[in-house]
Amino acid sequence: QQKVQQSPESLIVPEGGMASLNCTSSDRNVDYFWWYRQHSGKSPKMLMSIFSNGEKEEGRFTVHLNKASLHTSLHIRDSQPSDSALYLCAASMGYNQGKLIFGQGTKLSIKP
Amino acid sequence: GPKVLQIPSHQIIDMGQMVTLNCDPVSNHLYFYWYKQILGQQMEFLVNFYNGKVMEKSKLFKDQFSVERPDGSYFTLKIQPTALEDSAVYFCASSPRLGGNQDTQYFGPGTRLLVL
Repeated sequence: QQKVQQSPESLIVPEGGMASLNCTSSDRNVDYFWWYRQHSGKSPKMLMSIFSNGEKEEGRFTVHLNKASLHTSLHIRDSQPSDSALYLCAASMGYNQGKLIFGQGTKLSIKP
Repeated sequence: GPKVLQIPSHQIIDMGQMVTLNCDPVSNHLYFYWYKQILGQQMEFLVNFYNGKVMEKSKLFKDQFSVERPDGSYFTLKIQPTALEDSAVYFCASSPRLGGNQDTQYFGPGTRLLVL
């Protein structure tokens, strides 16, 4: 049973549009979420992290967290072709020595 | 930003042979990790390592696997002997403090291992 589920599996957004990606954990011990972006053949790079209820914004990226439902979402406004990548959601638990539990990813394509 | 390097980028090996995957973590980082990703599946935690010792390992970290970082050189993952199910991309990560809730893990680009 996957502990971190991401949706959709793939997403196509026109350039300049808003991309919305979702992630939910089924493990109530999770207390921190991470969003990584991975371009093809490259390292996953951390975009944003969140552990408090509410939202956090950095430039074109906004992340939301609902701790009651253990649901997080990543929103990218004014999407650019360079945003085309695999987006990975990861969860961690305070007690478990730094282990990240990853979802299967959402493949985002931005169409010019 | 901080970079983690992995050598080699690709490795093809016959089943039963030994393979060593090398990771050059960010220079001032103290915590090191290996993750495994089978094609089409999510990345899964294998092991983490600090101060010369394994802190935690998953059930994927079989007895044939070992990790070490002798004298501050490469952080290595050794598989001896290899099996067909070891074919995957192996990602190394490092963090300055304990990752997860305390600090960001920085990932390398992965080593693609194919066991024939």
